[in-house]
Amino acid sequence: AQKVTQAQTEISVVEKEDVTLDCVYETRDTTYYLFWYKQPPSGELVFLIRRNSFDEQNEISGRYSWNFQKSTSSFNFTITASQVVDSAVYFCALLGTGANSKLTFGKGITLSVRP
Amino acid sequence: GAGVSQSPRYKVAKRGQDVALRCDPISGHVSLFWYQQALGQGPEFLTYFQNEAQLDKSGLPSDRFFAERPEGSVSTLKIQRTQQEDSAVYLCASSFSRALAKNIQYFGAGTRLSVL
Repeated sequence: AQKVTQAQTEISVVEKEDVTLDCVYETRDTTYYLFWYKQPPSGELVFLIRRNSFDEQNEISGRYSWNFQKSTSSFNFTITASQVVDSAVYFCALLGTGANSKLTFGKGITLSVRP
Repeated sequence: GAGVSQSPRYKVAKRGQDVALRCDPISGHVSLFWYQQALGQGPEFLTYFQNEAQLDKSGLPSDRFFAERPEGSVSTLKIQRTQQEDSAVYLCASSFSRALAKNIQYFGAGTRLSVL
């Protein structure tokens, strides 16, 4: 079975601080995909990034960066110089293959960025 | 359309009432998914369609839950004889490719169901 653990439940930072959201996953699949989604108060899940299990290269997109480490089964997400608009719930998710070909989400991390 | 559209956004039902939730996926998207999101939790998979075929319904919690996508586009999730534990946000997602494992799923804003 697949599992995604987001141990942090709520994080509060002041604007311009850097913040890292942790994600640890479990799967027996050798091929799998990892995702981060953002859920603002409007409720819609917004896709942020997808990573496959064979690509451990870190990725940076503007103020966002992701650190994928297979050795520790982690896929952490860092927001640099946070802004109030970053306030949302962030979900890490895992998509496996075969019988695991369905998104398994963590419980989410509520990020509050104060001005 | 520009994105996944779900209606209604909010639904209040009396216990025992039947409800129908609608999902209009992104035009041309082959795959469609339904998820249930309880308060303070991550979404949980309910069922998956590829065109009109329901290929996986392993996440449906009981036989009171039924989903269909008769023409391979719009989908309806029906809950019969609603119970209080059915209260949740129901999210719909769609994706373009038939290759499930490579898809990016795009989500709608969800329907918040409250059963009194």
